[in-house]
Amino acid sequence: EDQVTQSPEALRLQEGESSSLNCSYTVSGLRGLFWYRQDPGKGPEFLFTLYSAGEEKEKERLKATLTKKESFLHITAPKPEDSATYLCAARGGSEKLVFGKGTKLTVNP
Amino acid sequence: EPEVTQTPSHQVTQMGQEVILRCVPISNHLYFYWYRQILGQKVEFLVSFYNNEISEKSEIFDDQFSVERPDGSNFTLKIRSTKLEDSAMYFCASSPQGAVAQYFGPGTRLLVL
Repeated sequence: EDQVTQSPEALRLQEGESSSLNCSYTVSGLRGLFWYRQDPGKGPEFLFTLYSAGEEKEKERLKATLTKKESFLHITAPKPEDSATYLCAARGGSEKLVFGKGTKLTVNP
Repeated sequence: EPEVTQTPSHQVTQMGQEVILRCVPISNHLYFYWYRQILGQKVEFLVSFYNNEISEKSEIFDDQFSVERPDGSNFTLKIRSTKLEDSAMYFCASSPQGAVAQYFGPGTRLLVL
């Protein structure tokens, strides 16, 4: 069964303090690894898609990387507005996205 | 920027009642999905829909659930006889083709009393 596990469950950072979120996956025939941002009471907002090991994508203070077993979301010099829950999802041989529980990030000013 | 929209934003219903959740996917997208998120839990896949038929469904998507694309713009999820455990946030998503990102709507919060 396809599985996605994210760690840590929660992370508190000071503004400007860089860190990384982890997503480990067990998926048969990975056809995409996706990162989303979710604000409270809202739908997941698409950030990145990664398709193959070694691939990297960047957007502002965020960079996503992918290995054969894990993906990392690196946050450089975060700001309070980066506070949200970050979701990782994987797609294997079927239509569905399999989500992790997410990492709740809080960035204090 | 095109967005997926969903109505209503909140729905309260009595156990055993039927509810219809509505979605307008992004206009040039071909694949449509429903997911749900019970409070504090993971986002879970319910069903995918392509070319006017269900392409995949999860074990959650039993005979009480149905989907329909009644016209060229709307995509609906019907729950025939709601149960307490159907209380959740329901998200519609769409994608332009199979193996690319799915774009989610803001969700409908369903509360079954």
